Amino acid sequence: GAVVSQHPSRVICKSGTSVKIECRSLDFQATTMFWYRQFPKQSLMLMATSNEGSKATYEQGVEKDKFLINHASLTLSTLTVTSAHPEDSSFYICSAREPSPFRGLFFGSGTQLSVL
Amino acid sequence: QQPVQSPQAVILREGEDAVINCSSSKALYSVHWYRQKHGEAPIFLMILLKGGEQKGHDKISASFNEKKQQSSLYLTASQLSYSGTYFCGTEISGNDMRFGAGTRLTVKP
Repeated sequence: GAVVSQHPSRVICKSGTSVKIECRSLDFQATTMFWYRQFPKQSLMLMATSNEGSKATYEQGVEKDKFLINHASLTLSTLTVTSAHPEDSSFYICSAREPSPFRGLFFGSGTQLSVL
Repeated sequence: QQPVQSPQAVILREGEDAVINCSSSKALYSVHWYRQKHGEAPIFLMILLKGGEQKGHDKISASFNEKKQQSSLYLTASQLSYSGTYFCGTEISGNDMRFGAGTRLTVKP
């Protein structure tokens, strides 16, 4: 099956610093990648949809200047949390889909961000 | 635009059946079902694209009523390995996957 690699798996940073999370599709070209945020025992909240070569589409309420998304190639999307604050602490997870509309999403293993 | 999922939690004994429901107020392009175990990424189970479509493999199947914008996931003769949180994901435009709140399924011996 398709593999999506996400790094780092865990990051602890100081308030005010920026953190970059990478999401790579290893064996397929992902024209679209999705970024989600998940709080403990809660659902996956869509933050943004990232299309290769174009600007990401952000969900209402998600600050695009704070959560910078770049989808520079068909296999790599990055999420940068800028000037992180403790309230940004969460589990961030990316997913990618193959070009076929009949396939589901493949998820990365997620990144647990803790902002001190 | 998030789908509504029910029930929130289900506790079963091995061999029992369960149904998880998912509904949307919007016309849907597709419905997906995923299972997530604690500390792991969600795993894709199946996708339904057509109204009235039913799919399944092994003892897990799903239906999609396009007119009602409802989908149900059926787990029959449950096994311990079925435990986890099940999410339905819905798409309206075909590129905007949103998930329900999840159903926590616990299968006990």
